[in-house]
Amino acid sequence: GDSVTQMEGPVTLSEEACLTINCTYTATGYPSLFWYVQYPGEGLQLLLKATKADDKGSNKGFEATYRKETTSFHLEKGSVQVSDSAVYFCALSDPIGKLIFGQGTELSVKP
Amino acid sequence: NAGVTQTPKFRILKIGQSMTLQCTQDMNHNYMYWYRQDPGMGLKLIYYSVGAGITDKGEVPNGYNVSRSTTEDFPLRLELAAPSQTSVYFCASSYHGTDDGYTFGSGTRLTVV
Repeated sequence: GDSVTQMEGPVTLSEEACLTINCTYTATGYPSLFWYVQYPGEGLQLLLKATKADDKGSNKGFEATYRKETTSFHLEKGSVQVSDSAVYFCALSDPIGKLIFGQGTELSVKP
Repeated sequence: NAGVTQTPKFRILKIGQSMTLQCTQDMNHNYMYWYRQDPGMGLKLIYYSVGAGITDKGEVPNGYNVSRSTTEDFPLRLELAAPSQTSVYFCASSYHGTDDGYTFGSGTRLTVV
């Protein structure tokens, strides 16, 4: 079945460092891909999405490119802030329109 | 605009007790979902609904039941609570399905002792 694999956390970075969180997927067909963010004590929020190959999603300085050839959707940010500390989830939409999530990657940014 | 509202935020149950987790959305979304989140395991879909009167099982439905009598409400029922149901439960909704993105509630943290 369809699945999503993320790099394991926690990831600890200093402020202004570059961030990459790897995400690869296995799917039938051509799913839409998503990154969600969960701040402490809150529900998940949609961060960005891409609906077809080579699309780039971007929001709040984060970006991710839908790579069909490598079945990847890595999340990147050039300069992280303390306020980016959260858990990040990669997800895909399955053939009948439900989201399948990766296990989440915790990011901690130190001043 | 309240979005997706879940109650209660926290609950402790004894083994064998029952309870209902409430979920209400005010965005006129057709699709609603219940997920559970366990540490290091991501989110697993319990049940979902594509409209009033229509529900279907997700990946981990055992021990749970749902109903969807209105567009706004999608309660999750736990019968005979077990320690394995200790988790954080999230309700979510969307208008057309996944491409619009989901709106999540803030979660219910349930402990079964």
